[in-house]
Amino acid sequence: QKEVEQNSGPLSVPEGAIASLNCTYSDRGSQSFFWYRQYSGKSPELIMSIYSNGDKEDGRFTAQLNKASQYVSLLIRDSQPSDSATYLCAALNRDDKIIFGKGTRLHILP
Amino acid sequence: ETGVTQTPRHLVMGMTNKKSLKCEQHLGHNAMYWYKQSAKKPLELMFVYNFKEQTENNSVPSRFSPECPNSSHLFLHLHTLQPEDSALYLCASSQDRASGRVGRTQYFGPGTRLTVL
Repeated sequence: QKEVEQNSGPLSVPEGAIASLNCTYSDRGSQSFFWYRQYSGKSPELIMSIYSNGDKEDGRFTAQLNKASQYVSLLIRDSQPSDSATYLCAALNRDDKIIFGKGTRLHILP
Repeated sequence: ETGVTQTPRHLVMGMTNKKSLKCEQHLGHNAMYWYKQSAKKPLELMFVYNFKEQTENNSVPSRFSPECPNSSHLFLHLHTLQPEDSALYLCASSQDRASGRVGRTQYFGPGTRLTVL
């Protein structure tokens, strides 16, 4: 089973600090990676996608990909209480299937 | 949320009922998906339709029956469900990967919260 692993949390981060969310994947042939945010009782919302090694920045969010280590991360700068949610990591594997992790619960402390 | 819509948003049904969930996408995509999301479990892919053809059925019980009349509409027909089928059912759509490297980015609808009594 090709898996995507995330720490379930909760991850507690003080308001204004950097939140760092991590994800590992087992299929080395995976090419595309996605971060979704899901508020309680709501559907997942795409935040970032990343395809190449390195960093990709979009506002307060930075996605990082290291294919050699099979590792994807999401950094949230200047964390706000509204960032409190579950963050889902997903990978498009070599079979062209999207595999989701279980998600990490993030709690921003006011 | 307006890109992919789902109805109803909430559904309570008995085990002997028959109901249907509806999904519509307004993004011009050609692939649609049904997912099940239960508490403390990852998203479970149920069905995939690509250009109206079912390309994946992840060993889903026959009490769930999908229908995709065109690339914009997707239904999930429910019959004789069990209490353990209570979950959030999410529809998603994407553009086929043939459009380029940026493929399979899935956009989700708001979901239907299903409770089976």
